[in-house]
Parts: sequence; structure tokens; C-alpha cells
Amino acid sequence: DAKTTQPTSMDCAEGRAANLPCNHSTISGNEYVYWYRQIHSQGPQYIIHGLKNNETNEMASLIITEDRKSSTLILPHATLRDTAVYYCIVRVAFAGNQFYFGTGTSLTVIP
Amino acid sequence: DAGVIQSPRHEVTEMGQEVTLRCKPISGHNSLFWYRQTMMRGLELLIYFNNNVPIDDSGMPEDRFSAKMPNASFSTLKIQPSEPRDSAVYFCASSPGTGQAPQHFGDGTRLSIL
Repeated sequence: DAKTTQPTSMDCAEGRAANLPCNHSTISGNEYVYWYRQIHSQGPQYIIHGLKNNETNEMASLIITEDRKSSTLILPHATLRDTAVYYCIVRVAFAGNQFYFGTGTSLTVIP
Repeated sequence: DAGVIQSPRHEVTEMGQEVTLRCKPISGHNSLFWYRQTMMRGLELLIYFNNNVPIDDSGMPEDRFSAKMPNASFSTLKIQPSEPRDSAVYFCASSPGTGQAPQHFGDGTRLSIL
């Protein structure tokens, strides 16, 4: 699975959009981009995933560049409860393939 | 909808004791995963079941660890005998089993072996 690079930490003002970048320059054609987050003392929570098209759900939007070498997770209106570590994972999509969580981005939403 | 349910949430026991962790996957999911998370090693996959059958147990650290899935709604991870280095947070995850489907995680069991 391709390696990802994320900033170690970010701050965002409450109510503003949080834009979390991820670089995955070695991604291959059959690898999906997934985003998870982990709030202290909880399990990793699935947010969104995509292959090459932009995706949106009730939690977030995922923007993938045309060359697929980077992506951005957008939380449109960050709240204090969005403070967490966010993980960008690139993974070949077969059923038994595990998710490799790197160090992620620690997002702090500031009141 | 109920997510993945793990029990107990916390377990503290003395080394040498048997430890059993339990997991109830999301109804309808046919793939189940056990992970272990530590500060040093991050999140590691221990074992993966598909349709109640163990498919890949290459991540199980040693023979002291065993996992079973007697039916589609229940799995156990057992450590016997336990050692202090087994202290970690153990997560169970389930997925529908299709290739791109995400895995959904429980809130974990925080295990401390004294």
C-alpha cells in the first residue's frame, strides 16, 4: 500500500472549514483513499473514502486531485467535537487487506 | 444502528492469568478483524475472519494468543498466559466484506497486565 504524508498538527477555529491535506504521490491505480479519525479513548471512526472522484457525505467532503497524488479532507463547519487525530490511508481494495494507520494529523478545533 | 460492541472496556489482571476479550460485529458484516494498538507500534492487525473462518492470522504474536468466531455475531480473542508486554488497547472491527468497504471499529478493550 502507498505511503501517505500528513502534517503533524493543525488548528481550526470553531465554525470554520477544516481542510486536512494528504500526500500520496506513489498511489497506484487500484488503491483507494480512506479517511478515519480517532478521538481519545475511542476506536478509529470511518469518515469517507474514494478512488478518483470527489466524494461527499454527511460528515465531510473528500477532494482528490486529478493525478491522484494528493487529497484533502474538508470538514465544512468544524465543531469542538471534531478535535481528533485524522488518518489518511491509501489501500488496495480487497476484503482482507488491513488498514495501516500512520501518525495522522492532530486537529484541534479552537473555540 | 448498533456499531461494533466490545467487552470489557477495561481489564486489569495479573500476569499469568487468562484474558478473554469479546466482540459483537455489526449485523450483516461477514468480515471481522482484531487489531492491537500501542504507542510504540501503532495499530497492528492480529487476525482476520471471513464468514467465521480465520483467513489470515499471521499477525498473532505467538501461541499464547488465540481467536475464535463460533458464529456470525460473536468473536473472542484469548491470551493465555498473559504477560505485561500484552498491555495495549485491543480493537475489533467488522466490514461487509466487499473489497473497498471500510472497516468499522469498536471502542476497544484497554488491557493492563500487571
